[in-house]
Amino acid sequence: DTGVSQDPRHKITKRGQNVTFRCDPISEHNRLYWYRQTLGQGPEFLTYFQNEAQLEKSRLLSDRFSAERPKGSFSTLEIQRTEQGDSAMYLCASSTPGRTEAFFGQGTRLTVV
Amino acid sequence: GESVGLHLPTLSVQEGDNSIINCAYSNSASDYFIWYKQESGKGPQFIIDIRSNMDKRQGQRVTVLLNKTVKHLSLQIAATQPGDSAVYFCAENGTGRRALTFGSGTRLQVQP
Repeated sequence: DTGVSQDPRHKITKRGQNVTFRCDPISEHNRLYWYRQTLGQGPEFLTYFQNEAQLEKSRLLSDRFSAERPKGSFSTLEIQRTEQGDSAMYLCASSTPGRTEAFFGQGTRLTVV
Repeated sequence: GESVGLHLPTLSVQEGDNSIINCAYSNSASDYFIWYKQESGKGPQFIIDIRSNMDKRQGQRVTVLLNKTVKHLSLQIAATQPGDSAVYFCAENGTGRRALTFGSGTRLQVQP
C-alpha cells in the first residue's frame, strides 16, 4: 500500500492523558498536513510541514498540541492533557510540489472519556 | 472572511440517475477547487479538481463545473451507483494559502 498511513486507527483515552499519533505520508511527498474532523463537519486545518520544517500552524492548534516531522518523512501529532473536546478524527494528508491536491490517510479516531 | 458552504446537507437519488452536488464559496481569491468523497470511517478520497482558469472539467462519470461569477461550483455524478453513497466535500485554496478550506459536506444517499 503506497498511500498515506496513520496509526493507530482508533484511540480511547482518559481525560488528562497524553496521546501521540503517527502519519507516514506517500514516500515522494514532501508536504504533510494535519487536519481535525468532528462529526458532520469538514476537516479543519491544524498544521503544515514542508520537509522537516513546520511552516504553518492553525489557531486551533493550542499549546497542548505539538507536531513534529524530524526527518522530513513520518510525522507525529501529540496531544497533552487531553480534554473531551479533543475527541475527533485526526487526519493526515500529503502532497507533492507542483500538485495542490492532498491525499488523505484513513485517520485516527480519538475518543476522550 | 473565507468560507465554503454546501447548499444541501443530504441528497437522495435513485440508482442510475445523475446526481448534482452544489457548493458556494465566498473568497474571490480562491483559485483552486477540489471535491472529495468520504465514506464512513475513512479518510477523504480525491475525486476531481479544477483551477479557476477553467469552467468545466470531466473525469470518469464525474464532472465539475465552476462559475466564478457567482462563486459556485458543482459536482455532477453520472449514472449514480450504490457505491457512490458517501459524504462529499468541496474544498478550496488560493494563492498564499497552503491548506485547503473545506465545506461541511453533503451526504449522498443512493436508493436501489
